[in-house]
Amino acid sequence: QKEVEQNSGPLSVPEGAIASLNCTYSDRGSQSFFWYRQYSGKSPELIMFIYSNGDKEDGRFTAQLNKASQYVSLLIRDSQPSDSATYLCAVTSGTYKYIFGTGTRLKVLA
Amino acid sequence: DGGITQSPKYLFRKEGQNVTLSCEQNLNHDAMYWYRQDPGQGLRLIYYSQIVNDFQKGDIAEGYSVSREKKESFPLTVTSAQKNPTAFYLCASSRSGTGKGQETQYFGPGTRLLVL
Repeated sequence: QKEVEQNSGPLSVPEGAIASLNCTYSDRGSQSFFWYRQYSGKSPELIMFIYSNGDKEDGRFTAQLNKASQYVSLLIRDSQPSDSATYLCAVTSGTYKYIFGTGTRLKVLA
Repeated sequence: DGGITQSPKYLFRKEGQNVTLSCEQNLNHDAMYWYRQDPGQGLRLIYYSQIVNDFQKGDIAEGYSVSREKKESFPLTVTSAQKNPTAFYLCASSRSGTGKGQETQYFGPGTRLLVL
C-alpha cells in the first residue's frame, strides 16, 4: 500500500517565523510532488509542485525534495496569520493517481 | 475566467434517494476526478476519467456512479447503496492523466453532502 505521511499538527509558529512542513512517502517510484493549501471548509489550492531533487522557490514558499530519503518539505518564510490552514502533500508516479497525506494544520500566531 | 465549477454547494439527501453532483470545467482538460474528503482523512479517489466516454473506478467507487459524455462535464451520482454519504466531495481536473506536469490537478470549490 503506497502511503504518504504527514504530522497532523497543529504546528504553531509566531508571525514572521519560518514554518516547516514535512511529508514522507513510501513509493520509491514517485515522480511528482505537490503541496496544496486548504482553508477550513474550502477546496485545496495548489501552492507548488516539484519534480527534481533540491529546492524550488516561489515567493515566500520553498519546496525541498530528497528522493533518496523519500521526503518532501515545504518552508514558508515570514509566516502570516493568513497562512493558517491545512497543508496537503500529494505524490504521484506520473499517472492519474495522486496519493494524498492527511494534511498538517498550521497555525500562525499574531 | 477558466476554472472548475461544482454545484450545488450544499446538498441534502433523504434515505433511499439518489443524488447527482455537478462538475464542469472550461480548462480544456482531458482528465477529471472525483474525491471524497472526510474529517481528519486525506482525499480518497472515487472515480476518474482520462478521456470522454471512458472512466475508471478509484479506491472507493462502491455506491457511486459517473458519466463522461462531454469533455467539460463529469457528474457524480451518489446512489442509495452508499450507506455513509455524508462528506465533502471534490472534483478536480488535469490536462491529461500522465506525464510530469500534465497531471497537476486543480480542484473545484466542492459540494458538501448531508443526510437528512
